[in-house]
Amino acid sequence: DTGVSQNPRHKITKRGQNVTFRCDPISEHNRLYWYRQTLGQGPEFLTYFQNEAQLEKSRLLSDRFSAERPKGSFSTLEIQRTEQGDSAMYLCASSGQEASNQPQHFGDGTRLSIL
Amino acid sequence: AQKVTQAQTEISVVEKEDVTLDCVYETRDTTYYLFWYKQPPSGELVFLIRRNSFDEQNEISGRYSWNFQKSTSSFNFTITASQVVDSAVYFCALSEGSWGKLQFGAGTQVVVTP
Repeated sequence: DTGVSQNPRHKITKRGQNVTFRCDPISEHNRLYWYRQTLGQGPEFLTYFQNEAQLEKSRLLSDRFSAERPKGSFSTLEIQRTEQGDSAMYLCASSGQEASNQPQHFGDGTRLSIL
Repeated sequence: AQKVTQAQTEISVVEKEDVTLDCVYETRDTTYYLFWYKQPPSGELVFLIRRNSFDEQNEISGRYSWNFQKSTSSFNFTITASQVVDSAVYFCALSEGSWGKLQFGAGTQVVVTP
């Protein structure tokens, strides 16, 4: 079990630039989630995939955010025209398909800093 | 509206003391799941326990125990004989519906000093 892998670990960019993060879930997991965590807060749900289908998006996910999961394997989260408020830890999690609400296994996250 | 409330922001204890973390949740669903996760200083979220709404049995796992009470909508977590390695932020989370989306509380920072 290699766990959930996220790249990069850290991303520093200037305001207005586009950034893309990658998440590789645990191989047999068909459910994939993205969360955002700011300092001193719990993670907040952003979006959810079951296989390649994006089934739910939070209102937090503005039109500058887009997520994909081609072929139901890895996922990418892109933020266009980054703003200061986008600075956060972006967490990816995956879970299996045996039953609903299986525990989600989290990656180490990508920390985004906007200059 | 916040669905999971962790009223304790930080708890400091001396090693070997017990510590109890409170979690109160709000839901109208009859089927739901509750979770506890640990986030050590290194940052990764580590799954500790999952409970479904139909199982009110308390659970013990080593030094960890959980008390689920539907009547008070609470799912409290106790660490017995705390150790320095228990220092972390602990999150309680609620999942409603079938897709598994987690709604986290704000977390409780536990500081265990030798």
